[in-house]
Amino acid sequence: DIQMTQSPSSLSASVGDRVTITCRASQGISNFLAWYQQKPGKVPNLLISAASTLQSGVPSRFSGSGSGTDFTLTISSLQPEDVATYYCQKYNSAPHAFGGGTKVEIK
Amino acid sequence: QVQLVESGGGVVQPGRSLRLSCAASGFTFSRYGMHWVRQAPGKGLEWVAFMSYDGSDQYYEASVRGRFTISRDNSKNTLHLQINSLRTEDTAVYYCAKGHSYGYQDYFDYWGQGTLVTVSS
Repeated sequence: DIQMTQSPSSLSASVGDRVTITCRASQGISNFLAWYQQKPGKVPNLLISAASTLQSGVPSRFSGSGSGTDFTLTISSLQPEDVATYYCQKYNSAPHAFGGGTKVEIK
Repeated sequence: QVQLVESGGGVVQPGRSLRLSCAASGFTFSRYGMHWVRQAPGKGLEWVAFMSYDGSDQYYEASVRGRFTISRDNSKNTLHLQINSLRTEDTAVYYCAKGHSYGYQDYFDYWGQGTLVTVSS
């Protein structure tokens, strides 16, 4: 099975900072990659599909890129409401594995 | 609007069985693939199972294959997860999630609030 590895597992940044989260697949998955945001105590929320397609209503400071095995989620200017854990997920085939998550905090 | 409401969780002894349900509304249930995802306390998300729009295809995460059975009743807009031979490591919040389309090459555009399963003697 294809494994999804996220890095870092946690980060602390200041408001306004540019934040980058990396997700690596153990084999190529084309662009079948989604990103979810899970705020503390809440249900996961879809941010990005097809590696780079921003979902309706998601702030434009979020962006995704990559294809094949290497992907990134970027927050261009970190805001207090972005405190959350972010997960990547492959969906080219079963199992639809998630990465281990990246916890983002404000410094 | 889309609503997914899980039920059936609770405290159960190891080795026993449980059946989770997910009641769907606000969309044409029979046209979309559906998934179960779980999250152990303080841990990350783990995909568990998928069923295609018409029930013809099912996939499972390796650790639950043979113990978990996903099913759906399109006439009642309901998704189920039968969990047998429960283990302590099955303790988690179980979410049902709606696929964006009918097949398995799909991401999840809506999630339920989850139902907590606690396996303990």
